[in-house]
Amino acid sequence: DIQMTQSPSSLSASIGDRVTITCRASQSITSYLNWYQQKPGKAPKLLIYAASSLQGGVPSRFSGSGSGTDFTLTISSLQPEDFATYYCQQSYSTPNTFGQGTKLEIK
Amino acid sequence: QVQLVQSGAEVKKPGASVNVSCKASGYTFTGYYMHWVRQAPGQGLEWMGWINPNSGVTNYAQKFQGWVTMTRDTSISTAYMEVSRLRSDDTAVYYCARAFRIAAAVYHDYWGQGTLVTVSS
Repeated sequence: DIQMTQSPSSLSASIGDRVTITCRASQSITSYLNWYQQKPGKAPKLLIYAASSLQGGVPSRFSGSGSGTDFTLTISSLQPEDFATYYCQQSYSTPNTFGQGTKLEIK
Repeated sequence: QVQLVQSGAEVKKPGASVNVSCKASGYTFTGYYMHWVRQAPGQGLEWMGWINPNSGVTNYAQKFQGWVTMTRDTSISTAYMEVSRLRSDDTAVYYCARAFRIAAAVYHDYWGQGTLVTVSS
């Protein structure tokens, strides 16, 4: 199975900050990497697919980059509604494993 | 609009089975694979497997092979996931999630609201 490792596991930031979350795969997954946002008690929401494609309706302050084994999710200017947990997921091969999550909290 | 509506919360005893349903609407049910993902309390997301609603072919994570069964009823656009021989560590919220494919890229664009399964004696 492909292991997905996110860093950091938690992060404190302020409104307006630029934030970057990293996801590393245990082997190359080319660009088959998705990012989701999850708020407490809610289902995950797709933000980015195929490493860098923004899902429709998602604000442009979210962006993704990377290929191979190293990927990043960047939020260019944090808004109050962005405080949540973020997960990466590889769809290169089954099982389509998720990272352990990064909890983004208000500083 | 696309909707995935799951069945309600369940409380089961260890050793029992549970069947969670996921009713799809707003799109052609047989045109998209359905995946299942679970989340234990306070924990991360765990991918369980998928079913091709058109053919009924399934693919399970090795961890779940032999005690999780995914089925579908195309006449009512509903996917099902049965977990047997429940243990306390199967307590989790179970999600169905539609899989959208562009070329070889697969992602989950719509999710059910989740079904909490509690296993307790």
